[in-house]
Amino acid sequence: DTEVTQTPKHLVMGMTNKKSLKCEQHMGHRAMYWYKQKAKKPPELMFVYSYEKLSINESVPSRFSPECPNSSLLNLHLHALQPEDSALYLCASSQADRTQQYFGPGTRLTVT
Amino acid sequence: AQSVTQLDSHVSVSEGTPVLLRCNYSSSYSPSLFWYVQHPNKGLQLLLKYTSAATLVKGINGFEAEFKKSETSFHLTKPSAHMSDAAEYFCVVNPMEYGNKLVFGAGTILRVKS
Repeated sequence: DTEVTQTPKHLVMGMTNKKSLKCEQHMGHRAMYWYKQKAKKPPELMFVYSYEKLSINESVPSRFSPECPNSSLLNLHLHALQPEDSALYLCASSQADRTQQYFGPGTRLTVT
Repeated sequence: AQSVTQLDSHVSVSEGTPVLLRCNYSSSYSPSLFWYVQHPNKGLQLLLKYTSAATLVKGINGFEAEFKKSETSFHLTKPSAHMSDAAEYFCVVNPMEYGNKLVFGAGTILRVKS
């Protein structure tokens, strides 16, 4: 199984809502990532978890809160988002000691 | 600082003709290099990777790329374009300096005309 799954595929939320994005992989990877991708731009790294510990936070606003409950799961909790946070949110995973990242299909988020 | 430059933001080819997508990088160390493809509203799929083995790398769907250290280039080619190749392509570097932090090029949108 070389697949990273993400749910939901699409999400529409208001600025006062709280929602969560979920990412799952069963490849035994010990590093997991969240990226944000705006239209016609490359993905931008948000967070990196290595061995279930947050290792990189790219100065992301606190309205985005990552969580890694176990080595297979990665969540992104969303609260009080702004319309400019509308984007495709991609999850990826990799072996901790290798460089290839496997990407999920993404969650298309719209903030109204 | 590490950087990746994709020299063309858009490339248009006719079906059955060769594809060339150009990428130059800068890196202080011996990097790993990748090409990813992204179809509309989809995630990124790895086409191929260079990790200091053979300089000519073969990938999926008939794509290949050649690592040229002297030119700091990693251009992507395919002998004959197919309509299904129409997508956005990202050249990506892992400088191997800290963590597994990828550096993305700006992307090249490939259009294939029938």
